Amino acid sequence: EVQLVESGGAVVQPGGSLRLSCAASGFSFSSYEMNWVRQAPGKGLEWVSYISSSRRTIHYADSVKGRFTISRDHVKNSLYLHMDSLRVEDTAIYYCVREMQSSSPVMDVWGKGTSVTVSS
Amino acid sequence: QSVLTQPPSASHTPGQRVTISCSGSSSNIGRNVVNWYQQLPGTAPTLLIYKNDQRPSGVPDRFSGSKSGTSASLAISGLQSEDEADYFCAAWDDSLDGYLFGIGTKVTVL
Repeated sequence: EVQLVESGGAVVQPGGSLRLSCAASGFSFSSYEMNWVRQAPGKGLEWVSYISSSRRTIHYADSVKGRFTISRDHVKNSLYLHMDSLRVEDTAIYYCVREMQSSSPVMDVWGKGTSVTVSS
Repeated sequence: QSVLTQPPSASHTPGQRVTISCSGSSSNIGRNVVNWYQQLPGTAPTLLIYKNDQRPSGVPDRFSGSKSGTSASLAISGLQSEDEADYFCAAWDDSLDGYLFGIGTKVTVL
């Protein structure tokens, strides 16, 4: 069964740092592109970051560029999101999302999410 | 453009046909495929329609999608109570080099 399990969410003060992890199983993780998507409380979905299978291509939303870093470990079958200079508006559930192996951009499998709260 | 345009809500009775629109621009929907996600209350989103009109296995055929130009739509025929959820459209934006989502449409079954 294809599974994505996020962890690392916590309550952190503004200006603080946090690293989210996503453990992948049930598929060949190293062959898939991956994304992070977040959802603020009661709000819609916001794409955060993308990383290619080779790690050569990485993209960030303007709202997190320069503060967040996406990475992946093919030995541990894990995706990461390192978040620095956290702001109150970064409060959200963060989802790890797989990219479908396709010639067109499709995010197909979602984890259950991990909660990040930025508050003093 | 930071979001795709969707109506915020739609309310219909069981059995009715519901159509949800999603409007974008030439840099997103105009150039790339549209995908739709269903988010049931308290759960993570799941893929409902991909590449404009394709259904993943397990998605009932009462759900259908279409795209024309810079707009797309999701249709639910024979609305059921279990279809009460938030529905989001999404497309890659070539100018932003990232995905854009619609604001989400909350479907209520009366």
